[in-house]
Amino acid sequence: GAGVSQSPSNKVTEKGKDVELRCDPISGHTALYWYRQSLGQGLEFLIYFQGNSAPDKSGLPSDRFSAERTGGSVSTLTIQRTQQEDSAVYLCASSPRTGDNEKLFFGSGTQLSVL
Amino acid sequence: LAKTTQPISMDSYEGQEVNITCSHNNIATNDYITWYQQFPSQGPRFIIQGYKTKVTNEVASLFIPADRKSSTLSLPRVSLSDTAVYYCLVGGWATNKLIFGTGTLLAVQP
Repeated sequence: GAGVSQSPSNKVTEKGKDVELRCDPISGHTALYWYRQSLGQGLEFLIYFQGNSAPDKSGLPSDRFSAERTGGSVSTLTIQRTQQEDSAVYLCASSPRTGDNEKLFFGSGTQLSVL
Repeated sequence: LAKTTQPISMDSYEGQEVNITCSHNNIATNDYITWYQQFPSQGPRFIIQGYKTKVTNEVASLFIPADRKSSTLSLPRVSLSDTAVYYCLVGGWATNKLIFGTGTLLAVQP
């Protein structure tokens, strides 16, 4: 596609339920990032993929959070047993990884609301 | 990891030039400096990127001194539509996680 696509754009769930957030990066982009942004706050790094591998998972807030990437393309962020503090916008970004620099292309995010 | 420090907010008026400075004292040799713009309910958008000296594109200029411990984003003749949060990000592909700072909320008034 022309840009990074995230789905759903909005998700309302009940506390304790599991949710899956999807990210379709720009075709050919090898690097993929997940960030979380709470209302009025900055971007919190969650996890990064190079291809299908996640070298650093230390940004994931708890073991309820997990992410995977398949085929070097689509990524899914899963939150198990959601809590109200998980409510935020979850942003995905991809990068072509050309040269030494890194240029991120962001999707519009998934607004997650946990009731 | 290079940490960045920016002013929390800035005010300006339409037509003025705005300069936002970011400090990054422990920038690494391979790190690039990138600025992003974020509007409400949208993901950040790339504005400009540089390694040293000066870079200019159709929307902004980026000034980087020789020691690279800071950088300044310059927005010429801002308009109301430039009201947004601006983030300075330091890193490169060798950095596994790119950490955004708190950002600068630029408010442009008529």
